[in-house]
Amino acid sequence: DGGITQSPKYLFRKEGQNVTLSCEQNLNHDAMYWYRQDPGQGLRLIYYSQIVNDFQKGDIAEGYSVSREKKESFPLTVTSAQKNPTAFYLCASSPAPGQRLNTEAFFGQGTRLTVV
Amino acid sequence: SQQGEEDPQALSIQEGENATMNCSYKTSINNLQWYRQNSGRGLVHLILIRSNEREKHSGRLRVTLDTSKKSSSLLITASRAADTASYFCATVSINTGGFKTIFGAGTRLFVKA
Repeated sequence: DGGITQSPKYLFRKEGQNVTLSCEQNLNHDAMYWYRQDPGQGLRLIYYSQIVNDFQKGDIAEGYSVSREKKESFPLTVTSAQKNPTAFYLCASSPAPGQRLNTEAFFGQGTRLTVV
Repeated sequence: SQQGEEDPQALSIQEGENATMNCSYKTSINNLQWYRQNSGRGLVHLILIRSNEREKHSGRLRVTLDTSKKSSSLLITASRAADTASYFCATVSINTGGFKTIFGAGTRLFVKA
């Protein structure tokens, strides 16, 4: 089945630790995104990548880092510099915007990160 | 404030009634999309309407777009309990840095059986 997979579904982190959230897609999409969702709120863009080996900061990139070494994978690291990391994290992918802008994004099922 | 802002924040209706949700935005857009999110899950794309379109249908969904008012509405007809979810609009805009997709805060719909 084609799709986008996030893991783990639930993640607990101690204060001061870095954690990495996985996002893998087999849709052959060029663009991938990470969003953060807080209770009762919309999605805020953390980072996005439109092509392998390239990525840009979104609106709330501080305390986060990403890599895009492979087209299929876009892992997000939540560093100890992120002061309030407890949230629901969503990964998404879409075809390259320059080629097919009028298309939807496909989302993973999310990772719920809790700092303990 | 965010580019896409939904109204109302929450909506409670009886099964069989119609549900209308609105989205307003501030800048020019290339297209506007509506998504649905069940509690604790990812978002699922519902419908996309381009900036040169005024209305679009998909099953029980009807989306309108008024670019002069910078607003869109999502109508769900003959609602069902299974329609209970949060609904988000997302605007896609082109800028010098490429494109940008901005999501609103969503409308939480509760359909009572």
